Amino acid sequence: QVQLQQWGAGLLKPSETLSLTCSVYGGSFSGYYWSWIRQSPGKGLEWIGEINQSGFTNYNPSLKSRVTISVDTSKNQFSLRLSSVTAADAAVYYCAKRNRGTGGTYYFGYWGQGTLVTVSS
Amino acid sequence: DIQMTQSPSSLSASVGDRVTITCRASQSISSFLDWYQQKPGKAPKVLIYGAFSLQSGVPSRFSGSGSGTDFTLTISSLQPEDAATYYCQQGNSLPYTFGQGTKVEIK
Repeated sequence: QVQLQQWGAGLLKPSETLSLTCSVYGGSFSGYYWSWIRQSPGKGLEWIGEINQSGFTNYNPSLKSRVTISVDTSKNQFSLRLSSVTAADAAVYYCAKRNRGTGGTYYFGYWGQGTLVTVSS
Repeated sequence: DIQMTQSPSSLSASVGDRVTITCRASQSISSFLDWYQQKPGKAPKVLIYGAFSLQSGVPSRFSGSGSGTDFTLTISSLQPEDAATYYCQQGNSLPYTFGQGTKVEIK
């Protein structure tokens, strides 16, 4: 059974860099895209970006200038860095695996437990 | 970005009722539409993918339909454990986007 376990700092000051890591247990790490998604009361669920085992990334244009997603295949881990955080970046951050469905479809089939990130001076 | 609009924003229904939630995309997304259920303090859980495919382990009272821009999630007989917020999400083009959610309460 696939499990995603995430960790990272939950309290940041404005202008600091958010850093989260997600470890994947069970199943194959290769051949899939691994995403970061955040959820805030104001903006709902927002997809941040994704990476595959080769390091190929896609980012949400709204965050692209501040986001870096990286992968460590030796540890079956992927990480998120979001620079220059403000109060608008306060949210619950999730890591997720994009599963293949039928007929060329994909969906977020496994999620981490979520990390609450607060931004306060 | 493709905008996803759900309606209603919330609803209250009785156990056994048939419940329908709609999701409209701002442009055609073929059948690249997924539905998620989220309970407080938990991560979303996929119910339906590809507009109508039921995820393994999900009760058959959940069903999805639609293509193009208009989609529907139906709960054929509402159960107490279905109290949750439901989200649609398009996977047709980047960036992936979600609806704003529909909160389902049990009367």
